[in-house]
Amino acid sequence: QKEVEQNSGPLSVPEGAIASLNCTYSDRGSQSFFWYRQYSGKSPELIMFIYSNGDKEDGRFTAQLNKASQYVSLLIRDSQPSDSATYLCAVSDFGNEKLTFGTGTRLTIIP
Amino acid sequence: ETGVTQTPRHLVMGMTNKKSLKCEQHLGHNAMYWYKQSAKKPLELMFVYSLEERVENNSVPSRFSPECPNSSHLFLHLHTLQPEDSALYLCASSQDRDSTYEQYFGPGTRLTVT
Repeated sequence: QKEVEQNSGPLSVPEGAIASLNCTYSDRGSQSFFWYRQYSGKSPELIMFIYSNGDKEDGRFTAQLNKASQYVSLLIRDSQPSDSATYLCAVSDFGNEKLTFGTGTRLTIIP
Repeated sequence: ETGVTQTPRHLVMGMTNKKSLKCEQHLGHNAMYWYKQSAKKPLELMFVYSLEERVENNSVPSRFSPECPNSSHLFLHLHTLQPEDSALYLCASSQDRDSTYEQYFGPGTRLTVT
């Protein structure tokens, strides 16, 4: 059974610092990797996706993928209180309808 | 309205009741999904529809019955549920059923089974 593992947290980071969120996955055949953000009481929203090994940057967010280690991470630079949320990691095989989600990491940015 | 909408937002039902959850997407997408989100558990995919045809059923109990009358609407019919079915039920849509496309989630229906 495919699994996606995340530390549930809570992860507390001072405002302005870098928040680092990690995710490991069990299926070596996974091809697509997503980070969703979910505010309390709200639905998930996609913030980043990555398909290739290495880094992908979008504003304050950087996704990092290492397929050899089956590891994907999300870095948030200059953390803001509005970044406080649960971050869900999701993976899929290319061409597969199914996303496998982790349980999420709860991030709290401390002013 | 825009995006993905769901009704009702909250639902309390007894184990012998029959109710339906409704989802509507205004994005012109071809694929729609039902997910279950329980506390401390990962999002679980329940059903996938592509162009109104069911393409995935993750061994969901028959007390959950999906219906997709057209590409914009998705229903989840509920009957004789159990207390452990209490959860947040999320609908999502994407341009196509390939999961590499971004999935847009609705606000969810918080279901409590008493």
